[in-house]
Amino acid sequence: AQTVTQSQPEMSVQEAETVTLSCTYDTSESDYYLFWYKQPPSRQMILVIRQEAYKQQNATENRFSVNFQKAAKSFSLKISDSQLGDAAMYFCAYRGTFSGTYKYIFGTGTRLKVLA
Amino acid sequence: DAGITQSPRHKVTETGTPVTLRCHQTENHRYMYWYRQDPGHGLRLIHYSYGVKDTDKGEVSDGYSVSRSKTEDFLLTLESATSSQTSVYFCASEASGGDTEAFFGQGTRLTVV
Repeated sequence: AQTVTQSQPEMSVQEAETVTLSCTYDTSESDYYLFWYKQPPSRQMILVIRQEAYKQQNATENRFSVNFQKAAKSFSLKISDSQLGDAAMYFCAYRGTFSGTYKYIFGTGTRLKVLA
Repeated sequence: DAGITQSPRHKVTETGTPVTLRCHQTENHRYMYWYRQDPGHGLRLIHYSYGVKDTDKGEVSDGYSVSRSKTEDFLLTLESATSSQTSVYFCASEASGGDTEAFFGQGTRLTVV
């Protein structure tokens, strides 16, 4: 079975600084997708960034980028120039591509605090 | 944003009563999911569906059942609610196999007293 681990329950970052959130996963599949979702206090789940496992290039979305290390099964999120609006829970998620794995598996989340 | 709505948004119910939560999407998405969110556990999958009448269990399916008779609706039923099922429930839908993204409803806060 696939698992996703986020070992940092809480992180803090100073406004305008850079922070990296960690995520590791376990799978025997070779083709899959990885995601970072943001959940602000409104409770709405918002997609931050997506990575396809077959792509070696790390995904980037504006101030958000990932460091995808397939062999190490690591998928960290880097937030540059942190803003107060980045404060939220961040969830790492895995999605398989084969029958029986069409489901999103989430980590336990990292709460990010942004200090003014 | 994808049109996905959950109802009700809040519910308080008594132990032992049946409860049904509804998820409705207007995007013709094939895949639909039910999760529960509890502090320290993240989102845990209850059941999911990969088509009309095609469903499968997730990691925390005990005490829950689902039905999907139409593409747009995915119902989650607690046959006999217990206090351990007090949680926030999220529904999500997705167009195809990971090519897009999962769109989430706004959640249902269920309290079992």
